[in-house]
Amino acid sequence: AIQMTQSPSSLSASVGDRVTITCRASQGIRNDLGWYQQKPGKAPQVLIYGASSLQSGVPSRFSGSGSGTDFTLTISSLQPEDFATYYCLQDYTYPRTFGQGTKVEIK
Amino acid sequence: DVQLVESGGALVQPGGSLRLSCVASRFTLSNYWMQWVRQAPGKGLEWVANINRDGKEQNYVDSVKGRFTISRDNAKNSLYLQMNSLRVEDTAVYYCVRDNDVKHNSYWLDIYDIWGQGTMVTVSS
Repeated sequence: AIQMTQSPSSLSASVGDRVTITCRASQGIRNDLGWYQQKPGKAPQVLIYGASSLQSGVPSRFSGSGSGTDFTLTISSLQPEDFATYYCLQDYTYPRTFGQGTKVEIK
Repeated sequence: DVQLVESGGALVQPGGSLRLSCVASRFTLSNYWMQWVRQAPGKGLEWVANINRDGKEQNYVDSVKGRFTISRDNAKNSLYLQMNSLRVEDTAVYYCVRDNDVKHNSYWLDIYDIWGQGTMVTVSS
């Protein structure tokens, strides 16, 4: 199975900060990668698919980039509602695999 | 609103069985691939299984192969997960998830755009 490794596992940031989360695949996955946000006690929500396509309804401060093995999720200006855990997911092959998650906390 | 509602979660002993159900509202299930994703308490997300639109293709994570079976009844707009030989490590919230896949060049990209609220499965003696 393809391993997805996110870094960092957690970070502390302030409202207005630029935040970057990275995800590395153990082998090349083209651009078959999505990013998901999960708030405590809630189901995840899709932010990005195809590595860089913004899901309808998601604020433009979220962006994704990368291809092959290295991917990035960027939040250009962190808002209070963005404090959550973020997961990457590869959909290149089976089994689908998630990264271990990155928890974004308030500084 | 478009939604998925799971049911069937319970406390079950190791070695036991359970069947989860998921009913889709305000969209036609047969138009989508569907999956189950689980989350153990305090842990990350784990993809469990998926099924194609007509139910003829299924895929599973290795840890559940031979024990879990995903199925669907498009006439009832419903998705199922039959779980047998349950283990303590299967304890998790199980989410039913719609894949609104899109075609990109010659291949398809997954978009897990609708998630149910989750149903809790606890395996314990």
